[in-house]
Amino acid sequence: DGGITQSPKYLFRKEGQNVTLSCEQNLNHDAMYWYRQDPGQGLRLIYYSQIVNDFQKGDIAEGYSVSREKKESFPLTVTSAQKNPTAFYLCAADGGGTEAFFGQGTRLTVV
Amino acid sequence: KQEVTQIPAALSVPEGENLVLNCSFTDSAIYNLQWFRQDPGKGLTSLLLIQSSQREQTSGRLNASLDKSSGRSTLYIAASQPGDSATYLCAVQPMEYGNKLVFGAGTILRVKS
Repeated sequence: DGGITQSPKYLFRKEGQNVTLSCEQNLNHDAMYWYRQDPGQGLRLIYYSQIVNDFQKGDIAEGYSVSREKKESFPLTVTSAQKNPTAFYLCAADGGGTEAFFGQGTRLTVV
Repeated sequence: KQEVTQIPAALSVPEGENLVLNCSFTDSAIYNLQWFRQDPGKGLTSLLLIQSSQREQTSGRLNASLDKSSGRSTLYIAASQPGDSATYLCAVQPMEYGNKLVFGAGTILRVKS
């Protein structure tokens, strides 16, 4: 079944801890994106990648890091430098000018 | 910088009513415009994609139009049903380098039975 797979669905982070959110796609799309969604707010772009081994900061990249070692995978690490990480995180992919597809999201909570 | 605005922010209608959601964007240099649906706690589901050269797209009870020169799009939902209740998001893909999607804040739709 084609699409975007995000894991885990729920994630809990302790203070000072780094956590990594997984995003895998089998659509063979070049571009992948990470968005953050807070309650009652729109989507804000964290990082995006147009091609393997290349990525750019979005509007709210501070406290986050990414890698793009494979076309299929675009993991997001939420570092301890991100002071307010509790949010819903969404991963997406598209072929450049084509329809964008989203995963089902990861809800991150600080405990 | 591209900005996308959606009006209204929220809408409540009785079942069976036809309705229109509005989306406007500031820069007409776009590859496409896409409408999404989001259910609470879920990811986004693509509804319709309109390429910049197209005027409209239809899928079932949904019809989306695009007027690129005026920077506007509308999503028309015919004969609304309670199952249509969700947040509807509009996004444009600019022609600038990186062409990342730019989203509006969404319209929260409630269809009452």
